[in-house]
Amino acid sequence: DTAVSQTPKYLVTQMGNDKSIKCEQNLGHDTMYWYKQDSKKFLKIMFSYNNKELIINETVPNRFSPKSPDKAHLNLHINSLELGDSAVYFCASSPSPGTAGEAFFGQGTRLTVV
Amino acid sequence: GENVEQHPSTLSVQEGDSAVIKCTYSDSASNYFPWYKQELGKGPQLIIDIRSNVGEKKDQRIAVTLNKTAKHFSLHITETQPEDSAVYFCAAATGGSYIPTFGRGTSLIVHP
Repeated sequence: DTAVSQTPKYLVTQMGNDKSIKCEQNLGHDTMYWYKQDSKKFLKIMFSYNNKELIINETVPNRFSPKSPDKAHLNLHINSLELGDSAVYFCASSPSPGTAGEAFFGQGTRLTVV
Repeated sequence: GENVEQHPSTLSVQEGDSAVIKCTYSDSASNYFPWYKQELGKGPQLIIDIRSNVGEKKDQRIAVTLNKTAKHFSLHITETQPEDSAVYFCAAATGGSYIPTFGRGTSLIVHP
């Protein structure tokens, strides 16, 4: 059973389009995250949700809008895609906000904007 | 905010050798230091961690050390195997936000 699964694994799209990435965890965790990994492998937190409520938003452009319909799902919608949005996006989850450093990561979604 | 420096960026060893990856952090309030392994095409996976009340922790072939005074922490892998080849990330987190700040990663290559 996959603990944290995200779809799609690869996403190629044109500039200006709107796209979504879905994430689900079956670990029963309360807290979920979105991370961005750039071309140099640098990992940076974007958002954190605890039990469907946003608790961290790390100065991410408004074009990025996370949505958590329930605590097992955290989707990421991106409007008006730009070339600089090309990266690998990771969803992750942990039992609580205090265990962010012990998060389980999904396999990533490689987004390429052309 | 926290700043984590990680060295080296690439480390190439022969199978059976030891590998050491070093990190420094800037925020003296950081008290939790996880290490992640990222294999090609996969997400990072927590492999070991250490808290500030401990100086060393070992799990089979991997060990972590922490020097709070110098704000250094290191990952040691002994008897390396080809399957240890991956990118390794150190991170530091404080009790306040708990969100880890990651180092820039070390690409470890173990040659058979």
